Order: sequence, then C-alpha cells, then structure tokens
Amino acid sequence: AQSVTQPDIHITVSEGASLELRCNYSYGATPYLFWYVQSPGQGLQLLLKYFSGDTLVQGIKGFEAEFKRSQSSFNLRKPSVHWSDAAEYFCAVGRSNDYKLSFGAGTTVTVRA
Amino acid sequence: NAGVTQTPKFQVLKTGQSMTLQCAQDMNHNSMYWYRQDPGMGLRLIYYSASEGTTDKGEVPNGYNVSRLNKREFSLRLESAAPSQTSVYFCASSVGAITGELFFGEGSRLTVL
Repeated sequence: AQSVTQPDIHITVSEGASLELRCNYSYGATPYLFWYVQSPGQGLQLLLKYFSGDTLVQGIKGFEAEFKRSQSSFNLRKPSVHWSDAAEYFCAVGRSNDYKLSFGAGTTVTVRA
Repeated sequence: NAGVTQTPKFQVLKTGQSMTLQCAQDMNHNSMYWYRQDPGMGLRLIYYSASEGTTDKGEVPNGYNVSRLNKREFSLRLESAAPSQTSVYFCASSVGAITGELFFGEGSRLTVL
C-alpha cells in the first residue's frame, strides 16, 4: 500500500527566508507525486507534480520540488517566501492510471513579518 | 468560472439524521471524488466515480453512499449520521485518472452532535 509522511506538522518562517517542506513516501513502484496547497477556508490547489524525467520540477507560485528515489523523498522548496504563502501544504502519492491519491497529514506554514 | 461547487457549506446534524452533500462541476470532467479532511490525517478518499455511471469505494466508505447523477453531479449521502462523521468534506474532479490535476471545491463543514 502507498503512504505519505510529512514529518513537520508546523513550520514558521520569516518573510523573505527560504522554505523547505519534507515529504517521504512508501510505494513499491514508480510513484506519481504531487504537492497541493490549501489556503484558509479554501479547497486544495495543485502546486506541482512529478511523473518521470527531470527530478527537479517547477511549479506555480515560485515553488519547486526534487524527487530523490534513493531517499524516497519529494521535498518542496521556495527560495524566498511571501506572506501569501501562509497555508497548509499536502504531499500526495499515486500511481499511473489510478484514481486513488494518498495524502500526507499536511504541514502548516506560518509566515512572520 | 465556477469550477467545483459544493452545497451546503455548513451543516449541523443530530446523531441518526440523514443528509446529502451536493457537488457539481462545470469543467466537463469525467472523474469525480469525495474526500474528508480531519486534523492530523490529511485527506482521505471516501468514494470516487471514474466516469459517469460508475462509482467505487475509497479508503473510508463506511457510513456513506454516493450517486453519480450525471456527468456534472456527484452527491454524497449520510444515511444515519454519527459523531465520527464530523469533518470537512471536499468534492473534487479531474479529466481522468489522478495523473491529471484534481480540482477541489471549497469544502462543506459538517458537525454531528
């Protein structure tokens, strides 16, 4: 069975500082990996996804993520955070042609001025 | 430009009451999903409909039923609500399997007393 672990429940970062959110997955085959963001009171929005190819993927809002097969990780990064990046971030894993995504528990990001 | 619309946004029920959450999408997507979100647990798939006329169980289907009324609409029914079903419910849609992007509604907060 596939599963996702997000080790950090809550991260506080200063505006303008860099941000890295950790995601580890457990999956027997090549995973399809996603990062979604949820702003307060809203549904989730896709930030980026990885299926194959270049292990560094670029997403919206200046985010990027790196797939490391040897570490079973798919960490999300942003070089310089903005106050609007305060939200909850979810890592998710699935497989090709499937309809079931497994989500991590989420990491809440607080941005301080 | 509505996307995925859920109703109602808030609902309070007493144990044993029934209710239906409605979801409609206007993006001509084939697949639709119902998730529940609980603190510290991320999103868990309740049911999904890969295409019009089909429905399948997800991770946590017990206590719920669904109906894919047509290509646009996918409803979730609680026949006899229990306090354990207090949660935030999200409807989502996608063109096809999860290799595409999931588009989420804004959520429905349900409290069962």
